[in-house]
Amino acid sequence: QVQLVESGGGVVQPGQSLRLSCAGSGFTFSTYEMHWVRQPPGKGLEWVGVISYDGRSENYGDSVKGRFTISRDNSKSRLFLQMNRLSFEDTAVYYCAKDFYSRSWITDWGQGTLVSVSS
Amino acid sequence: SYELTQPLSVSVALGQSAKIACGGYNIGDKTVHWHQQRPGQAPVLVIYNDNNRPSGIPDRFSGSNSPNSATLTISRAQAGDEADYYCQVWDGNTVVFGGGTKLTVL
Repeated sequence: QVQLVESGGGVVQPGQSLRLSCAGSGFTFSTYEMHWVRQPPGKGLEWVGVISYDGRSENYGDSVKGRFTISRDNSKSRLFLQMNRLSFEDTAVYYCAKDFYSRSWITDWGQGTLVSVSS
Repeated sequence: SYELTQPLSVSVALGQSAKIACGGYNIGDKTVHWHQQRPGQAPVLVIYNDNNRPSGIPDRFSGSNSPNSATLTISRAQAGDEADYYCQVWDGNTVVFGGGTKLTVL
């Protein structure tokens, strides 16, 4: 079955950077678009961005555009989220999620990793 | 940017039906998906393409879509259905989530 396992979360200071990773298994990782979605404590889901199956194109939500970058290593079935210039508002649980195929629906979610931006 | 509007909360008596609305401009022209998030857990897809259920989701869950609003219906509500529910659409090159609805089963 599909498994998505995020890692790399932690506590960082404002202005710092952090890189999240997501390991996919149980499916042909290189075939599917992949998303990052975040959820601030006690709040709703916010879409962060998506990367094409081959890593050649990405799209981002307005609140992270220009600061966050999504990439992938299909040879290792891994998805990444590079987060720069972090602010308090970026504090959230970050979920890795798999698309049905391309621009479809999110079929599977990881368990999430917590990023806390604090001074 | 495109916005999806959901009621903050919906209550339903045990065994009765609950309806959760998701409003958006011309939402009937989009395909709507629904995710359930139980307390302390990751979300789970419960409806895709307006009215389709993934394998493993009970047929008590159904969806519909019309020009002004999409609706998730949960029939014969159970205690285990108590959760937050989020609608999701694509708008151009971006994904949009509704603000979420907390379903309480009384």
